[in-house]
Amino acid sequence: SAVISQKPSRDICQRGTSLTIQCQVDSQVTMMFWYRQQPGQSLTLIATANQGSEATYESGFVIDKFPISRPNLTFSTLTVSNMSPEDSSIYLCSVEGPQGLDTEAFFGQGTRLTVV
Amino acid sequence: AQSVAQPEDQVNVAEGNPLTVKCTYSVSGNPYLFWYVQYPNRGLQFLLKYITGDNLVKGSYGFEAEFNKSQTSFHLKKPSALVSDSALYFCAVRDLNAGNNRKLIWGLGTSLGVNP
Repeated sequence: SAVISQKPSRDICQRGTSLTIQCQVDSQVTMMFWYRQQPGQSLTLIATANQGSEATYESGFVIDKFPISRPNLTFSTLTVSNMSPEDSSIYLCSVEGPQGLDTEAFFGQGTRLTVV
Repeated sequence: AQSVAQPEDQVNVAEGNPLTVKCTYSVSGNPYLFWYVQYPNRGLQFLLKYITGDNLVKGSYGFEAEFNKSQTSFHLKKPSALVSDSALYFCAVRDLNAGNNRKLIWGLGTSLGVNP
């Protein structure tokens, strides 16, 4: 298993500002994933972050709005840029083991973002 | 198209009674299937997975799930529910025929309430 530390756990931000969320893993992982989850709702994948390459974004998400860094195999950041109230959500960092497609995902505790 | 359905938004059971949380899936190839639980204000925790072999898989906290290929289902079960099992449950699938696409396909979640 992997232990994931995600910071901040929650924040209240003014519209038009940006917030950077950090994700630290206790072991080296190839792929890290960033999700968005409305409270009580399902998960929506924002992007996949591989070390040493550009993040791969899902439909509806763009790099200018959600820039991602992946400087090494244990750390990643997601920035929510130029925030609006519609960005209020829970943001989750996730990693998977190296074993292959049968490996489960592990999640951080999430960042609850409120934009006012 | 790949999809996961959790037909019940909410399931309520009395403590001590058996519980079932339903999940059906649609993938082009063979599936890897996962169940996760999310307690309030927490990240997702892995419960169990089906990869191959015995159709009945056992996981954490006394949960089990049965893979039924003909019905394309992977229902989560527990013989005797506890109040502490009250949480949001997510089913997810990964399609083995998806090539390099490791993306998990998530259900919309089922809120389980266990009444004392």
